[in-house]
Amino acid sequence: DTAVSQTPKYLVTQMGNDKSIKCEQNLGHDTMYWYKQDSKKFLKIMFSYNNKELIINETVPNRFSPKSPDKAHLNLHINSLELGDSAVYFCASSHFRVGRFFGPGTRLTVL
Amino acid sequence: EDKVVQSPLSLVVHEGDTVTLNCSYEVTNFRSLLWYKQEKKAPTFLFMLTSSGIEKKSGRLSSILDKKELFSILNITATQTGDSAIYLCAVGNNNDMRFGAGTRLTVKP
Repeated sequence: DTAVSQTPKYLVTQMGNDKSIKCEQNLGHDTMYWYKQDSKKFLKIMFSYNNKELIINETVPNRFSPKSPDKAHLNLHINSLELGDSAVYFCASSHFRVGRFFGPGTRLTVL
Repeated sequence: EDKVVQSPLSLVVHEGDTVTLNCSYEVTNFRSLLWYKQEKKAPTFLFMLTSSGIEKKSGRLSSILDKKELFSILNITATQTGDSAIYLCAVGNNNDMRFGAGTRLTVKP
């Protein structure tokens, strides 16, 4: 199936840990994104990345870092997790930055 | 500052009712406006609008964009309980897509 996939779907961890969320798209899109959706369902952009450019939302703490081994993957690394990091994280992709195709989301719970 | 405002934030109707959801925006270098439906998981794409006055239709859902007045509406006719979801409006320019806060629609039997 052509899609955007994320793993894991659920992640429960302790404060202070470091974790990663993986994202893969097989749509041939040129740009990938990470969004954070808070408890009020508000989607906020964290990063967008294509081969040429990484755009970082300046409000995102530097504990969060995207890593892209190739065009089809954009993984999210989070260091020193905090309680406030608990949220649903969505990966998305687009072609020429038009539209967004979303992954299924990863629900992160920090205890 | 770019912004996308959706209204109402929450709406409760009964099956068979018609609803209109609103999205107004202020975005530099507007490129497109998208509507998404979000149930329990990821937002799913409904419509992409780039031109004023051209209605897009899919079954009981339709949407139209007014680039002069900077807003879009999403209509749902003959609502069903399965339409219950959060409807997200997103507006994109060349750099990014900004999402509104969403409208939570609840359709009661």
